[in-house]
Amino acid sequence: DAGVIQSPRHEVTEMGQEVTLRCKPISGHNSLFWYRQTMMRGLELLIYFNNNVPIDDSGMPEDRFSAKMPNASFSTLKIQPSEPRDSAVYFCASSGTGAGYEQYFGPGTRLTVT
Amino acid sequence: DAKTTQPTSMDCAEGRAANLPCNHSTISGNEYVYWYRQIHSQGPQYIIHGLKNNETNEMASLIITEDRKSSTLILPHATLRDTAVYYCIIITSGTYKYIFGTGTRLKVLA
Repeated sequence: DAGVIQSPRHEVTEMGQEVTLRCKPISGHNSLFWYRQTMMRGLELLIYFNNNVPIDDSGMPEDRFSAKMPNASFSTLKIQPSEPRDSAVYFCASSGTGAGYEQYFGPGTRLTVT
Repeated sequence: DAKTTQPTSMDCAEGRAANLPCNHSTISGNEYVYWYRQIHSQGPQYIIHGLKNNETNEMASLIITEDRKSSTLILPHATLRDTAVYYCIIITSGTYKYIFGTGTRLKVLA
């Protein structure tokens, strides 16, 4: 099993540009999570999908952030327009049946907005 | 979810057991104790979880006190590769929201 796959691993962009982060969960997992990690705020849950449906997006910082899960094997997190304060490591995680089961994290995307 | 308190940092000699404590005095009856670790620049990695009984797997052991107000993660023979930040998280059964605190930064010394 390849685990959770994220791309790109590193992204450097200029303020105002659109950024799209991608995630492929572990096959068979039906829950997907997007997290953001910064030195100041630690690891924060942004959004949670179950069976491709967004269940809780209360952690999404503002309207500039959006996430989609068009099918069970793919999800995107988009930031438009990006700002320097969005610089962080973004992790995708997936888990098995329902919620409350252990989550498996991808390697993360390190985003730098200049 | 119950809050947790962990020491900020700990050192452990290579080959010795690393005992990482976690206080969760407000834990409820249907809340699980989960442990994750994050090695530098990697995503968090699941280690072990338990409800009230002690648990053991190939990575670690989890000892939960009888009153469930605290727990200890034990790495029986720490290696340099175990150097990481260890997070103790309390999860309500059937929920998904992990609240990662600051964790314990474990440094295994050669």
